[in-house]
Amino acid sequence: DTGVSQDPRHKITKRGQNVTFRCDPISEHNRLYWYRQTLGQGPEFLTYFQNEAQLEKSRLLSDRFSAERPKGSFSTLEIQRTEQGDSAMYLCASSPNIQREGRIHEQFFGPGTRLTVL
Amino acid sequence: AQSVTQLGSHVSVSEGALVLLRCNYSSSVPPYLFWYVQYPNQGLQLLLKYTSAATLVKGINGFEAEFKKSETSFHLTKPSAHMSDAAEYFCAVSPFMGRRALTFGSGTRLQVQP
Repeated sequence: DTGVSQDPRHKITKRGQNVTFRCDPISEHNRLYWYRQTLGQGPEFLTYFQNEAQLEKSRLLSDRFSAERPKGSFSTLEIQRTEQGDSAMYLCASSPNIQREGRIHEQFFGPGTRLTVL
Repeated sequence: AQSVTQLGSHVSVSEGALVLLRCNYSSSVPPYLFWYVQYPNQGLQLLLKYTSAATLVKGINGFEAEFKKSETSFHLTKPSAHMSDAAEYFCAVSPFMGRRALTFGSGTRLQVQP
């Protein structure tokens, strides 16, 4: 496995600006998840994709947030009109859809994108 | 609905001492349970997982956890702490069926004193 990659690793922006993050999952994984982690807390689920279909969105995902996964490969998470409360680490994870080598349900996490909104 | 409670936001042990990190879960369906470790400014790495096979699960770096249904617990242990074990540890639960997104506890920061 080459691992899940995320870009950028850090983003500093001013309140009101739009930001976009990218996640590249492990190539054969067809499930992709986005989580948000604030300081001192565990990650919280935002949304998940199976292939290109976005199957569930958390109520944490306000209408300023949008996620896509065109062609079922990489995914983007966009935040419009950022607010200071959006400052957090945004984590992406991927997992295989079928049982494989005992790795059922295992999610592999990327290094995260740390967003700071000034 | 699922939830995870990690008792103790900070745990400090001496190098060589037993590590015990507590996790209790609440789930209306049979769950899968996980422990992840997070080093500063990094993503999460899976330590071990319970998926309804053996109740005593062994993971990486000498960690293990025991699933106790009667106590709804999944505590993480390691017989002898190393300095390199200092990190944040998260317990997580996901349902047997469905989207299988993880629900995490709030984490326990482990400090290892020399």
